[in-house]
Amino acid sequence: DAKTTQPPSMDCAEGRAANLPCNHSTISGNEYVYWYRQIHSQGPQYIIHGLKNNETNEMASLIITEDRKSSTLILPHATLRDTAVYYCIVSLGAGSYQLTFGKGTKLSVIP
Amino acid sequence: GAVVSQHPSWVICKSGTSVKIECRSLDFQATTMFWYRQFPKQSLMLMATSNEGSKATYEQGVEKDKFLINHASLTLSTLTVTSAHPEDSSFYICSAPKDGYSNQPQHFGDGTRLSIL
Repeated sequence: DAKTTQPPSMDCAEGRAANLPCNHSTISGNEYVYWYRQIHSQGPQYIIHGLKNNETNEMASLIITEDRKSSTLILPHATLRDTAVYYCIVSLGAGSYQLTFGKGTKLSVIP
Repeated sequence: GAVVSQHPSWVICKSGTSVKIECRSLDFQATTMFWYRQFPKQSLMLMATSNEGSKATYEQGVEKDKFLINHASLTLSTLTVTSAHPEDSSFYICSAPKDGYSNQPQHFGDGTRLSIL
């Protein structure tokens, strides 16, 4: 699996958009980008994933650059409950392969 | 949606005790399940891959005789920490991908916090 690089921490004001970057410059053509988050003392929660195109669901949006070397997870209106560690993971397919977790980004949403 | 249930949520026991943790896929079949361990302020580390009907595959440095894995059905994998010691205290998490959906996300249990006194 390709390695990813994320900032260790970020702050975001409540109600504002949180933009979490991820660098995956060694990603291969058939690897997906997955985002999970882990709220304290819980198991990781799936957020969104994509291959080439931008994706949006009820939780977030995923913007993948055209060269696929980086991506940004967008939480459109951050709430205090979005405070968590966010992990960006690249994988051939999370359904078949183990996920390698890096250190992630600790997002703190501030009132 | 796909749900993975893990039991117990937390356990405290004496040193030398063996502890069994269950991981169940509630509404889907999972031929493969993964077991992770997470120490405080660290990321998840894969311990082993559990395969239904066959032996588990352990990551380097994980003792297979210490961490026994049984995947006896398509919806249940168990991790037994044998003769647990304080250094085994950790947060253990399982995950399960849905069979037949290779690019779909894995679903994680809520973890088991193990404290060995």
